[in-house]
Amino acid sequence: NAGVTQTPKFQVLKTGQSMTLQCAQDMNHNSMYWYRQDPGMGLRLIYYSASEGTTDKGEVPNGYNVSRLNKREFSLRLESAAPSQTSVYFCASSEERGDQETQYFGPGTRLLVL
Amino acid sequence: GDSVTQMEGPVTLSEEAFLTINCTYTATGYPSLFWYVQYPGEGLQLLLKATKADDKGSNKGFEATYRKETTSFHLEKGSVQVSDSAVYFCALSDGGALIFGKGTTLSVSS
Repeated sequence: NAGVTQTPKFQVLKTGQSMTLQCAQDMNHNSMYWYRQDPGMGLRLIYYSASEGTTDKGEVPNGYNVSRLNKREFSLRLESAAPSQTSVYFCASSEERGDQETQYFGPGTRLLVL
Repeated sequence: GDSVTQMEGPVTLSEEAFLTINCTYTATGYPSLFWYVQYPGEGLQLLLKATKADDKGSNKGFEATYRKETTSFHLEKGSVQVSDSAVYFCALSDGGALIFGKGTTLSVSS
């Protein structure tokens, strides 16, 4: 039982390049989330998927797209990377989308955009 | 909108000292409250949570009580260990999306 896994662990991009961050969970959870973590800012929600087949914007969605490929996988795509997207990205999952639900986090992807 | 404010760090303590990390929140409803911990190089993991007023969450010697009258959820531990060194995040759940404080770095020395 690996929990939430993310790939890659670290990536360097040039401005304008594209990439996809991968996330998978093996806990049979319905809801999945993408957050970014910036120094002194805590974590901020980018997008979430309450259930397979649905996605919704979070607090900071601009410059990102997501795909809920199936119940296990939720990917985050940067179409044209910008230096402002330099951050640590965390994927999380929970059984359902609800106030009392515990979210389980992956180890993170550290992204540097030059 | 809803928000979480937690004390600025870093907090530096000696082993066996008492720990308090303050957390207050602003919310229109009655959110669930969480403390997450992030060890160096790792993702966040749930430390404890409380889902209604006066609930006390506890885990690994850490405790926090949901105080609706003061809109607070302060984290406490009676005797910290070097292994408790980490970043601690207070969070509330707003319709399932977590809203985090900025995090407090705790450093414990032996």
